[in-house]
Amino acid sequence: DAKTTQPTSMDCAEGRAANLPCNHSTISGNEYVYWYRQIHSQGPQYIIHGLKNNETNEMASLIITEDRKSSTLILPHATLRDTAVYYCIVRGNQGGKLIFGQGTELSVKP
Amino acid sequence: DVKVTQSSRYLVKRTGEKVFLECVQDMDHENMFWYRQDPGLGLRLIYFSYDVKMKEKGDIPEGYSVSREKKERFSLILESASTNQTSMYLCASSLLQGGRATNEKLFFGSGTQLSVL
Repeated sequence: DAKTTQPTSMDCAEGRAANLPCNHSTISGNEYVYWYRQIHSQGPQYIIHGLKNNETNEMASLIITEDRKSSTLILPHATLRDTAVYYCIVRGNQGGKLIFGQGTELSVKP
Repeated sequence: DVKVTQSSRYLVKRTGEKVFLECVQDMDHENMFWYRQDPGLGLRLIYFSYDVKMKEKGDIPEGYSVSREKKERFSLILESASTNQTSMYLCASSLLQGGRATNEKLFFGSGTQLSVL
């Protein structure tokens, strides 16, 4: 499975869009990009995933570059409750292993 | 909503004890996983299972075993607990879609903080 690189931490003002980048330059054609987040003292929570096209759901939007070497998770109107560690994961189809890296610690500030 | 329930939120055990961590999911998911989470190391996969009585090693299986006698239950066993197994343990489950397809969402429990003294 491809490795991902994310910034260690980011800040965002409440009500503004939070844009979390992820590099996955070694991604292969059949690998999906997944995003999870983990709020303090809770288990990780699925946010969104995609293959090639941009995706949007009730939680966030996922923008994947045309060459698929990077992606951005967008929280359109961040709230204090969005403060969490956000994990970008690239996963192949060789089995059930979902490898979590260090993630980005997002702090949403009033 | 999928519910993944871990039997204990906090657990304190002594070195050498046999420890059972239980996980139950209520959505008929085929796949179940055990991770441990440590500061600075992120989540690391210990074992996973695709079906009843089936198990596969993850990245750090040493010192652990698992049991999947029923589809909804996946147990993590520490045969002889050691202090380096003090950690947050997270169980997860997912629905097998189209075989081992890539579009798979994991649902996690709230975790068990295990302290081995």
